Amino acid sequence: GNSVTQMEGPVTLSEEAFLTINCTYTATGYPSLFWYVQYPGEGLQLLLKATKADDKGSNKGFEATYRKETTSFHLEKGSVQVSDSAVYFCAWKEGGGNKLTFGTGTQLKVEL
Amino acid sequence: NAGVTQTPKFQVLKTGQSMTLQCAQDMNHNSMYWYRQDPGMGLRLIYYSASEGTTDKGEVPNGYNVSRLNKREFSLRLESAAPSQTSVYFCASRLTGQGYTFGSGTRLTVV
Repeated sequence: GNSVTQMEGPVTLSEEAFLTINCTYTATGYPSLFWYVQYPGEGLQLLLKATKADDKGSNKGFEATYRKETTSFHLEKGSVQVSDSAVYFCAWKEGGGNKLTFGTGTQLKVEL
Repeated sequence: NAGVTQTPKFQVLKTGQSMTLQCAQDMNHNSMYWYRQDPGMGLRLIYYSASEGTTDKGEVPNGYNVSRLNKREFSLRLESAAPSQTSVYFCASRLTGQGYTFGSGTRLTVV
């Protein structure tokens, strides 16, 4: 069935390190792809999205490119900060659909 | 601008008790959703309501019922709580073509 698979955490990095969190999807058709972030004790917030192949979503220094040839939507940031510590969820939605399907989440810890 | 408001924030139930989780949004969104979040499993969709007057099952509907009371409110009911329903529950809403807005969650423990 349709799904997203993301790398398991926790991922622990030093401040200013480069971040990659892998996400791959299995879907028929042309899904929209998302990254959500959950800070401790809070609900999920949309971080960025891409709705078609080769689109790049970006926000707060984070980027992800919708790559149809590798069915991937990896999240990257060039220099992480302690304040980026959170759980990151990859998600997809069928084009025109109503339901958002989430990956299992990847916890990121950034240390000084 | 309150966004999506969930009540209560925390609840402890005994096995077999019933309760209703409340969710309200003030953004005039069409669609509303209930998810549960469990360690290592991400968020799973319980039920959703694409518009006022309609509800549909998600991935894990067993043991739950929902009511879309009006456009603003979408409640989730546990008729007979079980320990397996211990989880964090999130409500979300969306305007067609736009992104999802999530509430801050209800942490439910069933003992």
